[in-house]
Amino acid sequence: DAMVIQNPRYQVTQFGKPVTLSCSQTLNHNVMYWYQQKSSQAPKLLFHYYDKDFNNEADTPDNFQSRRPNTSFCFLDIRSPGLGDAAMYLCATSSYSRTGRRQGYTFGSGTRLTVV
Amino acid sequence: AQSVTQPDIHITVSEGASLELRCNYSYGATPYLFWYVQSPGQGLQLLLKYFSGDTLVQGIKGFEAEFKRSQSSFNLRKPSVHWSDAAEYFCAVDSGAGSYQLTFGKGTKLSVIP
Repeated sequence: DAMVIQNPRYQVTQFGKPVTLSCSQTLNHNVMYWYQQKSSQAPKLLFHYYDKDFNNEADTPDNFQSRRPNTSFCFLDIRSPGLGDAAMYLCATSSYSRTGRRQGYTFGSGTRLTVV
Repeated sequence: AQSVTQPDIHITVSEGASLELRCNYSYGATPYLFWYVQSPGQGLQLLLKYFSGDTLVQGIKGFEAEFKRSQSSFNLRKPSVHWSDAAEYFCAVDSGAGSYQLTFGKGTKLSVIP
């Protein structure tokens, strides 16, 4: 089945040690998103790629970066994780045409990041 | 700015009772509307979506939602709740105005009493 896969499901990292989360998709969707979700809160958009175009939300900390080497893969890099970055990170995809025609959104199962 | 409001933070219902979760949005045009469910520690699962057409939308797990333009609402309903429905429910909106992103409500936590 076509899907969005996030690895790993659980990630423990040390305070200040760079960490990378990965997302892959078999849907061939042109838009990929990274959301941060803290406990008992709604998902918060960090950034998204429309094809190769990177779009950063204004309030996303500089500590967070992203890479999309090809259509199928997208990575979230946290350069120096702090305790406040502990959260569930959700990857999502969608398909849009330039005329605005769109498909729905598909989410991965998430990666739960713990910072120790 | 676009916004999504879920006025109920936490709802408790008895198993077998009916359920309605409220969602209101503020946009100028008709947005694309979604309901997601999230179990603890899990990702988001799409229950249903509304893009256009019939304003009563059927989803998975026996859920339905009705889009009411005059009230800017997209409430989620289920006629008979099961204990396995206990989870967090999120309403989300894509404004359809070239934003290419979802805006989520703050969620409603559903507890089910046996």
